[in-house]
Amino acid sequence: DTGVSQNPRHKITKRGQNVTFRCDPISEHNRLYWYRQTLGQGPEFLTYFQNEAQLEKSRLLSDRFSAERPKGSFSTLEIQRTEQGDSAMYLCASSRLAGLDTGELFFGEGSRLTVL
Amino acid sequence: QQQVKQSPQSLIVQKGGISIINCAYENTAFDYFPWYQQFPGKGPALLIAIRPDVSEKKEGRFTISFNKSAKQFSLHIMDSQPGDSATYFCAAIYGGATNKLIFGTGTLLAVQP
Repeated sequence: DTGVSQNPRHKITKRGQNVTFRCDPISEHNRLYWYRQTLGQGPEFLTYFQNEAQLEKSRLLSDRFSAERPKGSFSTLEIQRTEQGDSAMYLCASSRLAGLDTGELFFGEGSRLTVL
Repeated sequence: QQQVKQSPQSLIVQKGGISIINCAYENTAFDYFPWYQQFPGKGPALLIAIRPDVSEKKEGRFTISFNKSAKQFSLHIMDSQPGDSATYFCAAIYGGATNKLIFGTGTLLAVQP
């Protein structure tokens, strides 16, 4: 399967613990995006990368959140000192530079975080 | 601050009927309007998209109608099928090539057989 892959698919953690999610984009895609989706809501933009450069971060991304894409391939999203309000589905998406104006982001199946 | 407003929140349609989902936006800097379809346990997938210089776009049973002056657009699903049951999100993209999607809140569509 050559789609966007996310791991783990589900993570249950206790408040205050750190968690890390990994995203492997479609191999030839330069752009990588992280979104957060809560129940009954649309995905909300968190941040995006072009190759290894993080070009934009949403105000939703507090200091407890950090994202990296060290070699312009896979990306990680780390949440430190998790809070119950962090419980959500974290979606990763990728796109080609050539398709920037087509609105086509290819999404993974998401990593669901539950903070107890 | 919700920049793309979507309605209804949920919709039940009989098989063969027409499903209509409406969206409205405020920011005139938006210049591309895609619709995404999401099945349970899956990520959203692009369904159809339109630019504001076009009033209508049709792909198979799916049609987008766009009213630039009213800043509104809608998705029509003709001959709705049970397999169309999913959550539909309208979205908008800011001017420029960021592909940063701003999503609506979603419409849960159930097509009854």
